[in-house]
Amino acid sequence: DAMVIQNPRYQVTQFGKPVTLSCSQTLNHNVMYWYQQKSSQAPKLLFHYYDKDFNNEADTPDNFQSRRPNTSFCFLDIRSPGLGDAAMYLCATSREGQGRRETQYFGPGTRLLVL
Amino acid sequence: GNSVTQMEGPVTLSEEAFLTINCTYTATGYPSLFWYVQYPGEGLQLLLKATKADDKGSNKGFEATYRKETTSFHLEKGSVQVSDSAVYFCALYTGTASKLTFGTGTRLQVTL
Repeated sequence: DAMVIQNPRYQVTQFGKPVTLSCSQTLNHNVMYWYQQKSSQAPKLLFHYYDKDFNNEADTPDNFQSRRPNTSFCFLDIRSPGLGDAAMYLCATSREGQGRRETQYFGPGTRLLVL
Repeated sequence: GNSVTQMEGPVTLSEEAFLTINCTYTATGYPSLFWYVQYPGEGLQLLLKATKADDKGSNKGFEATYRKETTSFHLEKGSVQVSDSAVYFCALYTGTASKLTFGTGTRLQVTL
């Protein structure tokens, strides 16, 4: 089945130690998103890639960066995690173009714990 | 700007009860509307969607109708099950900046 895959499902890191979360998709969608979701809150968009074009949300901290080496993969890098970065990180994908709006499909998420 | 307002939770129902979770929105243009469900410890799953006025989305016994005149997209299910216990998010998308706008989520707890 076509899907959005996130690895790992659970990640424990130390305060200030860089961490990378990964997302892959078999849907061949051209847009990939990263959301941060804290407990009992709605997901908050951090950034997205439209094809190779990176689009950062205005309030996303500089501590968060992303890479998309090819259509299928996208990475979230947290350069120096703080305690406040502990959250669920959700990857999503969609197909967009020619004015069409398509549904976003989410992966299962990676729960990050910062010690 | 765009916004979504959902009813406050938690909503607690007995199994086989009727469910309504209210959702209203404000948006520029003509949004597509979605309901996503999130089970504990999991990501968001698309439950249903509607892309234009008067469309009805349905899935797994859940339904929601896109009402442009009342700017609403209320979620309903005739008979809930314990397995429906989850958080439900209403969301909209206008295609500008590729950004989904979410409501705050409504937690549903179904008991035997």
